[in-house]
Amino acid sequence: DIQMTQSPSSLSASVGDRVTITCRATQSISNYLNWYQQKPGKAPKLLIYHASSLQSGVPSWFSGSGSGTDFTLTISSLQPEDFATYYCQQSYMTPLTFGQGTKVEMK
Amino acid sequence: EVQLLESGGGLVQPGGSLRLSCVASGFSFTKYVMNWVRQAPGKGLEWISGVGGSGDSTYYEDSVKGRFIISRDNSKNTLYLQMNSLRDEDTAVYYCAKDRSGWPESFDYWGQGTLVTVSS
Repeated sequence: DIQMTQSPSSLSASVGDRVTITCRATQSISNYLNWYQQKPGKAPKLLIYHASSLQSGVPSWFSGSGSGTDFTLTISSLQPEDFATYYCQQSYMTPLTFGQGTKVEMK
Repeated sequence: EVQLLESGGGLVQPGGSLRLSCVASGFSFTKYVMNWVRQAPGKGLEWISGVGGSGDSTYYEDSVKGRFIISRDNSKNTLYLQMNSLRDEDTAVYYCAKDRSGWPESFDYWGQGTLVTVSS
């Protein structure tokens, strides 16, 4: 199985900050990498698919990059509604696997 | 508007069985893979199973293979998860999730989740 590792596990940031979350796969997954946002008590929401494609309706201050084994989710200017937990997920092969999550908290 | 509505969760003893259902609406159900993703209390997300649009292709994560069965009834726009030989570690919120494509890939719509508690 492909293991996904996110860093950091948590971070503290302020509104307006640029936030970067990284995700690493244990083998090359080309660009088969997706990002989700989850708020407490809610279902996850797809943000980015195929490493860099913005899902419909997702604000443009979210972006994704990377290929192979290393990927990045960037929030260019953190908004109040962006405090949440973020997960990466590989779709290169089944079983589909997620990273352990990165919690973005208010500083 | 896409809607996914899960039901069937509850309290079950170890070794018991439970069947989850997910009724879908607002999209062409047969065109997409449907998935189950679970989240143990305070933990991360775990994909456990997917089924192709026709129901012929099924996919499982190793920890549930042989115990869980995914299926779909396209005449009812309904996804199922039959869970047998339940263990304490199966305790989680179970989400039904629509795939973006005809292959297990990414999950663009999710249900609200249904809680399964395995405990004696």
